[in-house]
Amino acid sequence: QKEVEQDPGPLSVPEGAIVSLNCTYSNSAFQYFMWYRQYSRKGPELLMYTYSSGNKEDGRFTAQVDKSSKYISLFIRDSQPSDSATYLCAMSATRQGAQKLVFGQGTRLTINP
Amino acid sequence: GAGVSQSPRYKVAKRGQDVALRCDPISGHVSLFWYQQALGQGPEFLTYFQNEAQLDKSGLPSDRFFAERPEGSVSTLKIQRTQQEDSAVYLCASSARTNQPQHFGDGTRLSIL
Repeated sequence: QKEVEQDPGPLSVPEGAIVSLNCTYSNSAFQYFMWYRQYSRKGPELLMYTYSSGNKEDGRFTAQVDKSSKYISLFIRDSQPSDSATYLCAMSATRQGAQKLVFGQGTRLTINP
Repeated sequence: GAGVSQSPRYKVAKRGQDVALRCDPISGHVSLFWYQQALGQGPEFLTYFQNEAQLDKSGLPSDRFFAERPEGSVSTLKIQRTQQEDSAVYLCASSARTNQPQHFGDGTRLSIL
């Protein structure tokens, strides 16, 4: 079993829909949680960065972390065709020297005009 | 530069050849990471530097893989006696300091024939 599980999709929704992406994890040491967006043949681009549990909102994007359930989510409101990409969740522990990110497999998302 | 720069963007090598991949992190960033991304998968950690010190190399798949960052800035990932299973995208990321967000370059796409 992988430390971080993410449904690879693909996920296809109409423009304007609310998109929900999620990941589960098994390592209780994870404290930092991130969402990255990756376009084809590009590097991952940081969307959201949160520490511990709670919600964080940035424009059309909302990230939620539920450490009790070991579950994180990313919501995209008013989705646009330009949001079509692969979305990667990532997480890391806080111990000095444990800075590496552990990624999910990525969910391929398509927003249809 | 404004972002993480990696070169070359594409590299084709014959099995058994040695290759060297370069990463220029964001200026002033202390931490530097290398990841390997297979097709359709999330990135997987290879190694981590804080300044010139290599603090974690637990993800390097074999002793054919070697990374260095001699002056605490530019880093090189070297793969000796390449094999077909080394074909992947190699991503470099940097962060300002410990537990700060990691920012990625666009990667080097390595193909071993």
